[in-house]
Amino acid sequence: DTAVSQTPKYLVTQMGNDKSIKCEQNLGHDTMYWYKQDSKKFLKIMFSYNNKELIINETVPNRFSPKSPDKAHLNLHINSLELGDSAVYFCASSRTGAAKNIQYFGAGTRLSVL
Amino acid sequence: GQNIDQPTEMTATEGAIVQINCTYQTSGFNGLFWYQQHAGEAPTFLSYNVLDGLEEKGRFSSFLSRSKGYSYLLLKELQMKDSASYLCAVRVKANQAGTALIFGKGTTLSVSS
Repeated sequence: DTAVSQTPKYLVTQMGNDKSIKCEQNLGHDTMYWYKQDSKKFLKIMFSYNNKELIINETVPNRFSPKSPDKAHLNLHINSLELGDSAVYFCASSRTGAAKNIQYFGAGTRLSVL
Repeated sequence: GQNIDQPTEMTATEGAIVQINCTYQTSGFNGLFWYQQHAGEAPTFLSYNVLDGLEEKGRFSSFLSRSKGYSYLLLKELQMKDSASYLCAVRVKANQAGTALIFGKGTTLSVSS
């Protein structure tokens, strides 16, 4: 009964390839997020979707394209992968309007670009 | 800009008390969160403060002073399993539509016997 699940857990690929990471939440939340955690463990927001609408888009290269087919899913597609994209990508979700609006995180996808 | 500072590393012994400080300068404030992250795992929610004062939850407490832009996380009766990174995060209004969490770089706590 995993709350926020991401696939794959590990992703090793060559520079220039295109890859996707999937995220699903079964918490009934209406907002989902993608974060990037670099080698120094710094966690930074990339995107946020509320009810399938993009609401936050930080300064992320346009090689990264999020897609939210419904409230429970937020996928991340990355084109033309570069060495600097190697990081751990975390998906999270929350419920807008909840008292604390706590974000719950998935287990992360460890991306290595060779 | 947004800036959140916390110490990079701390060490303590089992049974001790440790205080992890966090100072922030952000454009807006909509609550402060502490998350725990064990190596190779997801961040998990520990505590939330939006008003000044102390919030206590078992062995963990968190304090907030909005006027000083300051928070701390207090961990009592330390156990080996408390060895982890502790992330301070401030929620700010990102735009008309939503809010975002701005994270500090995390404090790695090592607990020894």
